[in-house]
Amino acid sequence: GAGVSQSPRYKVAKRGQDVALRCDPISGHVSLFWYQQALGQGPEFLTYFQNEAQLDKSGLPSDRFFAERPEGSVSTLKIQRTQQEDSAVYLCASSLGPGPTDYGYTFGSGTRLTVV
Amino acid sequence: GQNIDQPTEMTATEGAIVQINCTYQTSGFNGLFWYQQHAGEAPTFLSYNVLDGLEEKGRFSSFLSRSKGYSYLLLKELQMKDSASYLCAVALFSGGYNKLIFGAGTRLAVHP
Repeated sequence: GAGVSQSPRYKVAKRGQDVALRCDPISGHVSLFWYQQALGQGPEFLTYFQNEAQLDKSGLPSDRFFAERPEGSVSTLKIQRTQQEDSAVYLCASSLGPGPTDYGYTFGSGTRLTVV
Repeated sequence: GQNIDQPTEMTATEGAIVQINCTYQTSGFNGLFWYQQHAGEAPTFLSYNVLDGLEEKGRFSSFLSRSKGYSYLLLKELQMKDSASYLCAVALFSGGYNKLIFGAGTRLAVHP
């Protein structure tokens, strides 16, 4: 596609519910990143995929967070047993190679998760 | 740890010039990026500096001093549509790939 697509755009979950957030990166992009952005803050790194391999998951806040990219294209971020502190915008970004080109990463518009 | 500092908020007048500063202390450096983010939208790329000096791109310019761990974004001829958050991000190279670490962002309000 022309850009990075994320769905759903908004998600309201009851505390304790499991959620799945989807990211469709730009076709052919090797690198895929997930970031978490709290209100009024900058994006915080969660995890990184190079094709289907998850090379870095150091930013995942707990074992309730899980991400996958089984075929090296679409990625899903899953949050189990959601808590109120999980409320944030989850951003996905992709890049052609293993690092930002001169044009950085291309971000999706994000999924705004609200846990009630 | 990684530390990237930028002012929380700034205000400016339409048609004026504003400079947004960013200082960083990171373990490693492989370039500095500036992104613009309107409320509820995706961050969009503005500029990239990897060498010291000034990069100019239309109304926007970005400066980098690696020895001082300092960058600024200069916006000229401000327009109302420039009201947004501006994110400073440092690229860190580790494990064979680059990772962007972001500051908290600077919210710029442009008024008539």
